[in-house]
Amino acid sequence: GQNIDQPTEMTATEGAIVQINCTYQTSGFNGLFWYQQHAGEAPTFLSYNVLDGLEEKGRFSSFLSRSKGYSYLLLKELQMKDSASYLCAVRDVGGGNKLTFGTGTQLKVEL
Amino acid sequence: IAGITQAPTSQILAAGRRMTLRCTQDMRHNAMYWYRQDLGLGLRLIHYSNTAGTTGKGEVPDGYSVSRANTDDFPLTLASAVPSQTSVYFCASSDRLGTQYFGPGTRLLVL
Repeated sequence: GQNIDQPTEMTATEGAIVQINCTYQTSGFNGLFWYQQHAGEAPTFLSYNVLDGLEEKGRFSSFLSRSKGYSYLLLKELQMKDSASYLCAVRDVGGGNKLTFGTGTQLKVEL
Repeated sequence: IAGITQAPTSQILAAGRRMTLRCTQDMRHNAMYWYRQDLGLGLRLIHYSNTAGTTGKGEVPDGYSVSRANTDDFPLTLASAVPSQTSVYFCASSDRLGTQYFGPGTRLLVL
């Protein structure tokens, strides 16, 4: 099975940088995904890591350490529209493309 | 249509009634999923289908059934709704790389 932990809430200032952490314990690991979900909307895909290291995509970057069971999502140059819930999800080796989601981190961006 | 559609958008249902939530995708993805999302519990997998003609149970399958007669459609049926099935239901499909794409959701209230 999977166990995924993320902080429940975070607050950051517009223009700043914020790091959202995710730790996981899994019987088998085959990739980690980050999704963004605005209130009342569906989750949308942000990033995918399967190998150790940093994946950069514009203002968003995601890091993975498989040996530590740890990932983070880094958001730079924060904008008000980045206020949303950020979901960490892990895919295990035996489950096809099934994902197990964390409960999400609610990020509030303030002026 | 483009992507994934779900119907209805929202529904109020009397306990004991039967209800089918519809999901259709036009991306020719083989795998599809049904999740429920509840405050504080995150996204939980109800049922999934790796390809047309096959289905499997997720984390919380009790009280729900699915069918996958073709690639595009993946309906979710509540045979006899109970108040604990009040939730937001998301359908998703995944591409060959395993990235899941979500429909807009169905908000269900069971009274």
